[in-house]
Amino acid sequence: QSVLTQPPSLSAAPGQKVTISCSGSSSNIGKNYVSWYQQFPGTGPKLLIYENNERPSGIPDRFSGSKSGTSATLGITGLQTGDEAYYYCGTWDSSLSAWVFGGGTKLTVL
Amino acid sequence: EVQLLESGGGLVQPGGSLRVSCAASGFTFGSYAMSWVRQAPGKGLEWVSGISASGGSTYYADSVKGRFTISRDNSKNTLYVQMNSLRAEDTAVYYCVRKKGDAFHIWGQGTMVTVSS
Repeated sequence: QSVLTQPPSLSAAPGQKVTISCSGSSSNIGKNYVSWYQQFPGTGPKLLIYENNERPSGIPDRFSGSKSGTSATLGITGLQTGDEAYYYCGTWDSSLSAWVFGGGTKLTVL
Repeated sequence: EVQLLESGGGLVQPGGSLRVSCAASGFTFGSYAMSWVRQAPGKGLEWVSGISASGGSTYYADSVKGRFTISRDNSKNTLYVQMNSLRAEDTAVYYCVRKKGDAFHIWGQGTMVTVSS
């Protein structure tokens, strides 16, 4: 069982908006920056969002991040079929002295 | 082009050892903290270990503490993880990751480690 909790799956239609939640505690999300990763089957993950809401160069502004208290959210607008992937949140846990990830959310665009 | 290339994965028997390497290119390797993150078949991401830019500080997940050792050779732009007393539950794709600030910015393509008799 993961320290950070994400919904296992979500689906939405092309063009729609979706939000993926990531719930933690005061020792991880409540205290540290959250990052988000996208992973297509058979490939390594790719950084989408860092420091809660910053996008690396090359990541479209359709992707956004936010954090409130002990929860974080990844938003994707204008969904495309190419956004079908697994999405993971991650952060440092100050009590565990370890990096922790959510269990991942499989996004289906249909 | 920034690149991380893992090697050294393979099949090993339970209780055995394996060293996985990661060759870095396209950036000043010695300026970045690095980590290993693994993913068991069909499962999510699990952070394994981290090392500071100088190599002076190392960090481990409880699941591998005492069995795995992370190290780096900045003169060779290479990151290592020595894995001893391997168990079936260590079977996973092992990713080499470049850390910047509080996120993992660059990921390798991974190398598969299978622990089985």
